[in-house]
Amino acid sequence: GAVVSQHPSWVICKSGTSVKIECRSLDFQATTMFWYRQFPKQSLMLMATSNEGSKATYEQGVEKDKFLINHASLTLSTLTVTSAHPEDSSFYICSAKRPTNSPLHFGNGTRLTVT
Amino acid sequence: DQQVKQNSPSLSVQEGRISILNCDYTNSMFDYFLWYKKYPAEGPTFLISISSIKDKNEDGRFTVFLNKSAKHLSLHIVPSQPGDSAVYFCAASANAGNMLTFGGGTRLMVKP
Repeated sequence: GAVVSQHPSWVICKSGTSVKIECRSLDFQATTMFWYRQFPKQSLMLMATSNEGSKATYEQGVEKDKFLINHASLTLSTLTVTSAHPEDSSFYICSAKRPTNSPLHFGNGTRLTVT
Repeated sequence: DQQVKQNSPSLSVQEGRISILNCDYTNSMFDYFLWYKKYPAEGPTFLISISSIKDKNEDGRFTVFLNKSAKHLSLHIVPSQPGDSAVYFCAASANAGNMLTFGGGTRLMVKP
């Protein structure tokens, strides 16, 4: 079964509004979660590393004021796309890793469309 | 600079035959490699992984081969099934599987 849950699976919003995406680890505590973005027919690009109890680490070129990440608990990380624009339309995917030696598990992604 | 490359954007294979998906990397610090399968509008699903201390790992119909000297890995699926049709991403990590760098993906189509 799924070990990482992401919500919503899709969202349409108007330009200028903000959208929050939730990522939950279902049966384990994740001190670190990762947020990826995928453009059509392209690879998954790491946006940021979400650290429980501390600030997220953003990859080069990712605007931290635009993509707000909050890792408030050991099972929940949120990504808020602030003042969304059409170019922010994309597929956003979160991932988390069990504390044991296991691979990274991904959520089912969120398709964001900004009109 | 693409550190992980999948040079074939697509591959078409007949059902029952072998599918071979290739991946090349440039970062010699990578020590852990994974293959993920992805359907449209879904997150990637882990398939199989290999540590740099090994050169082969097998799990059912899936086998991953690693050639460290060539910085090349491949995923073999045999026999291929129509349900294997998806996009396959190889990924690499320099710290045992945390932050992953993905290749561009290869779309596999298995024809019945």
